Amino acid sequence: SQTIHQWPATLVQPVGSPLSLECTVEGTSNPNLYWYRQAAGRGLQLLFYSIGIDQISSEVPQNLSASRPQDRQFILSSKKLLLSDSGFYLCAWSVTQLGLAGGNTGELFFGEGSRLTVL
Amino acid sequence: AQSVAQPEDQVNVAEGNPLTVKCTYSVSGNPYLFWYVQYPNRGLQFLLKYITGDNLVKGSYGFEAEFNKSQTSFHLKKPSALVSDSALYFCAVRVITYGGSQGNLIFGKGTKLSVKP
Repeated sequence: SQTIHQWPATLVQPVGSPLSLECTVEGTSNPNLYWYRQAAGRGLQLLFYSIGIDQISSEVPQNLSASRPQDRQFILSSKKLLLSDSGFYLCAWSVTQLGLAGGNTGELFFGEGSRLTVL
Repeated sequence: AQSVAQPEDQVNVAEGNPLTVKCTYSVSGNPYLFWYVQYPNRGLQFLLKYITGDNLVKGSYGFEAEFNKSQTSFHLKKPSALVSDSALYFCAVRVITYGGSQGNLIFGKGTKLSVKP
């Protein structure tokens, strides 16, 4: 079965410090990968998604960047954190190709999240 | 533009009573519809989905949802609420074009469900 791991679970960083959040998926190949941010425990904001190695799309201009050095590894980074980067970050994966016969209907599967507090 | 609306920020229900969490969508193309639940400081968990076929779909933890094409709604329901159902619920839609290509999942802003004993 497929699993998704995300770490660290919590992180407290000073303003101006770098950031690296890591996400890995097991049990599937060539997944679509996503980074979301959730502010104040409510709505989800899609930050980045990737359809393959080194293929990253950014949904919003920001202080963050994403990389996908391996098929099942997705990294969220920042060179200098801002106070506004605080939030709950969620990694997710989905199948690349939809196919009703194979039961691939495009739902996302989420990691447990990383709570970032920038002070 | 494609969108999902969850008109209620919060729903309060007494334990044992039925609950409904509302969701409406606006898309062009065929929608795949999903419900997720999020407990505090946790990731989102998949509850159920509507892809095609029977308009009433059943999912995890006794939840079900009814797809209504004419009203473009996909309300989440449960006949008898539990205190442990208290959480944040998200509706989401993925649009499938007639060419078969898929867009990204679009999420509603979430509805907080509070079930009191």
